[in-house]
Amino acid sequence: GQQLNQSPQSMFIQEGEDVSMNCTSSSIFNTWLWYKQDPGEGPVLLIALYKAGELTSNGRLTAQFGITRKDSFLNISASIPSDVGIYFCAGRRIFSNTGNQFYFGTGTSLTVIP
Amino acid sequence: NAGVTQTPKFQVLKTGQSMTLQCAQDMNHEYMSWYRQDPGMGLRLIHYSVGAGITDQGEVPNGYNVSRSTTEDFPLRLLSAAPSQTSVYFCASSYRARSYNSPLHFGNGTRLTVT
Repeated sequence: GQQLNQSPQSMFIQEGEDVSMNCTSSSIFNTWLWYKQDPGEGPVLLIALYKAGELTSNGRLTAQFGITRKDSFLNISASIPSDVGIYFCAGRRIFSNTGNQFYFGTGTSLTVIP
Repeated sequence: NAGVTQTPKFQVLKTGQSMTLQCAQDMNHEYMSWYRQDPGMGLRLIHYSVGAGITDQGEVPNGYNVSRSTTEDFPLRLLSAAPSQTSVYFCASSYRARSYNSPLHFGNGTRLTVT
């Protein structure tokens, strides 16, 4: 199945630094989603983007839906220790016969050094 | 509001055993799905359902069965467990199966080991 190209694979940053990660695809998506997964837990939705060019913030998190509809990025400003985890992007396409189909990136592992 | 509830949280099976992973949601979500998560492979879709009585195969359906007799429940059955099915399994649901503004909501996962 199709996987999204997510980068970087891992990041080690100092507390207080800003973080940027992105996802690209060869296909167009109707929706881009960003999730965070803590160890032993399920992915939790951070931000949902529904329109090309849309820029949405959730606290220190900002995400954008690329104009081409083939990419998205997530920024985290002023990182704190609780930002540690794995961040996943997901794209959604809608098919007339099967409905929503979601495709996931392989994740960015974030480590914040106090 | 409990959201998406998965049971059990952990399970160890011997090769050849069968079991059912339970998933229930209390959000009246139309769409439900099962994923497995393996290191380096990301989330892979096993089966999904766009409503009660309707199920379909995802990317990796072999060795798994599902049914959707109610809107709330979507159990995943392992017919004859194999070591290759050792993984973390996530159930996920969304409000509408064909709506662009219905994101997926995940349960906390079932960690399955097959020996």
